[in-house]
Amino acid sequence: EAQVTQNPRYLITVTGKKLTVTCSQNMNHEYMSWYRQDPGLGLRQIYYSMNVEVTDKGDVPEGYKVSRKEKRNFPLILESPSPNQTSLYFCASSLIGGDLEKLFFGSGTQLSVL
Amino acid sequence: AQKITQTQPGMFVQEKEAVTLDCTYDTSDPSYGLFWYKQPSSGEMIFLIYQGSYDQQNATEGRYSLNFQKARKSANLVISASQLGDSAMYFCAMRLNFGNEKLTFGTGTRLTIIP
Repeated sequence: EAQVTQNPRYLITVTGKKLTVTCSQNMNHEYMSWYRQDPGLGLRQIYYSMNVEVTDKGDVPEGYKVSRKEKRNFPLILESPSPNQTSLYFCASSLIGGDLEKLFFGSGTQLSVL
Repeated sequence: AQKITQTQPGMFVQEKEAVTLDCTYDTSDPSYGLFWYKQPSSGEMIFLIYQGSYDQQNATEGRYSLNFQKARKSANLVISASQLGDSAMYFCAMRLNFGNEKLTFGTGTRLTIIP
């Protein structure tokens, strides 16, 4: 089954404790991206990657890191989480091409930073 | 920069009635795609429908149709014969070709279907 898998689904942590949210897709997609969703703001892009070893900042990259060592994986790293990073996070992937491909989303990770 | 505007924070609609969710967009790029996603209370993002900027016909997918008015820069979602399971948050989004390829989202409309 074609899917984007995020883990964990829920995460509660404390300020300053490094954490990683994993994302993996099995569709051989070149493009992967992280979004955060906050009430009244919709979804905002954090980082994206157009291919292996190619990553770039989105609209709200501060406080986050990513890596793309393999095509299928795109982990999101919070080196020193803060309460303002409490949010619902989505990983997404798609093909890149002449047609505008829809993004496939993971199930989301609800993060609470105390 | 591109922008998506959804002006209806919430809507209540009687079951079996049709509903229109508004979406306007702003971009100077001639090539773009418009998407609608549904987010039920469980949280996942479900793709509903897509409209390309060069498509001549309005997109349809089952009970969903997209009323695309290019000159007005609007891309309203129409749900026919609404069902209780349609209660959810609905997001309009736009994607430009080349470069980032990111989706720019609106702030969403929470639709509640009343029995």
